[in-house]
Amino acid sequence: AQSVAQPEDQVNVAEGNPLTVKCTYSVSGNPYLFWYVQYPNRGLQFLLKYITGDNLVKGSYGFEAEFNKSQTSFHLKKPSALVSDSALYFCAVRDDNYGQNFVFGPGTRLSVLP
Amino acid sequence: DTAVSQTPKYLVTQMGNDKSIKCEQNLGHDTMYWYKQDSKKFLKIMFSYNNKELIINETVPNRFSPKSPDKAHLNLHINSLELGDSAVYFCASSQDSNGNQPQHFGDGTRLSIL
Repeated sequence: AQSVAQPEDQVNVAEGNPLTVKCTYSVSGNPYLFWYVQYPNRGLQFLLKYITGDNLVKGSYGFEAEFNKSQTSFHLKKPSALVSDSALYFCAVRDDNYGQNFVFGPGTRLSVLP
Repeated sequence: DTAVSQTPKYLVTQMGNDKSIKCEQNLGHDTMYWYKQDSKKFLKIMFSYNNKELIINETVPNRFSPKSPDKAHLNLHINSLELGDSAVYFCASSQDSNGNQPQHFGDGTRLSIL
């Protein structure tokens, strides 16, 4: 079965600096990878996805992620962090050997300091 | 207009009671989901319906019963509520059933069992 790990519970970064939120996954088939963001008392919002194609995926609000098959990673990045980016970030994976079932990572709390 | 709406937003009730949470989406999507997010923010899929038919049924107690009267609605009924049911329950929808499209989430129903 598929699994996903987000090795950092918390990431702190200064405003204007680049940010990275890490995600690694384990699947038996081909991975379908997603990033979502959750603001307080809200539902998750979609940021970007990787299905096939270019390994560098661009998404909403200036975020991007790079699919690395050899390292089984899909790290989320942004060149210049904003205070408003502070939120909880979830990586999710679907293994095409296991139908439509998604597994979400435990989440990483990003704090951007002014 | 709210794309995925859940009611109620907050639900406080006694152990042993039966309660329902309603979900409606106005996006014209074919697939709807229920997720449970615990106090540590772990997110786990419970059910998925496609065009009113159940397609994902994770290991969830029989006390939880989803009902989809039409493809725009997916309600969750919970019998004999237990303390461990306290969580935030999220409804979501997506355009397809094969997991390639992003999910749109409601803002959650915060269930507290006394």
